[in-house]
Amino acid sequence: DSGVTQTPKHLITATGQRVTLRCSPRSGDLSVYWYQQSLDQGLQFLIQYYNGEERAKGNILERFSAQQFPDLHSELNLSSLELGDSALYFCASSVEEGREQYFGPGTRLTVT
Amino acid sequence: TQLLEQSPQFLSIQEGENLTVYCNSSSVFSSLQWYRQEPGEGPVLLVTVVTGGEVKKLKRLTFQFGDARKDSSLHITAAQPGDTGLYLCAGRNQAGTALIFGKGTTLSVSS
Repeated sequence: DSGVTQTPKHLITATGQRVTLRCSPRSGDLSVYWYQQSLDQGLQFLIQYYNGEERAKGNILERFSAQQFPDLHSELNLSSLELGDSALYFCASSVEEGREQYFGPGTRLTVT
Repeated sequence: TQLLEQSPQFLSIQEGENLTVYCNSSSVFSSLQWYRQEPGEGPVLLVTVVTGGEVKKLKRLTFQFGDARKDSSLHITAAQPGDTGLYLCAGRNQAGTALIFGKGTTLSVSS
């Protein structure tokens, strides 16, 4: 158990819909990272927050957004969902930027 | 663009055999990390290598960072069925924040 929690574990929704994925980092960790894992692309970095502020963006679509709240939990919002958005979404946290990242169990999103 | 290429993509061996997994790049990384991921779970950090030429051992697993810090290898001695999983190498992007992952090596060890 990494100490990072993610909810829900599984999510099935239809194209065009919007969903919110939630992540609680390890106790004491200030930085949260979101990754997408698909069979063809592997693990891809989406976005990073540090103590509530956006710090880095990766291959994140404009339809996706995220935020980190004062209690340090983070949410990833995915809108106008397409079939190709079906993937595993992982959250990771680290005590500070550049330190080792610990991954949550992931949310499996299926878009039908 | 920083890329990490892992080989082989798939490896199926018998219990007791030795194996080596490779992670290569044309870019220099300040550090490389190895993760192991089981189906339906998140990647679990195994080790971080920082210094060129560094060798780290974790029980039957030996990790090496290339002298030029562009490549790394993972050697498993006497593999066991419990070693089955997806092995991922990852390096920090140029900004030093996010991780760039290789596509992984899927290892299957049968008894």
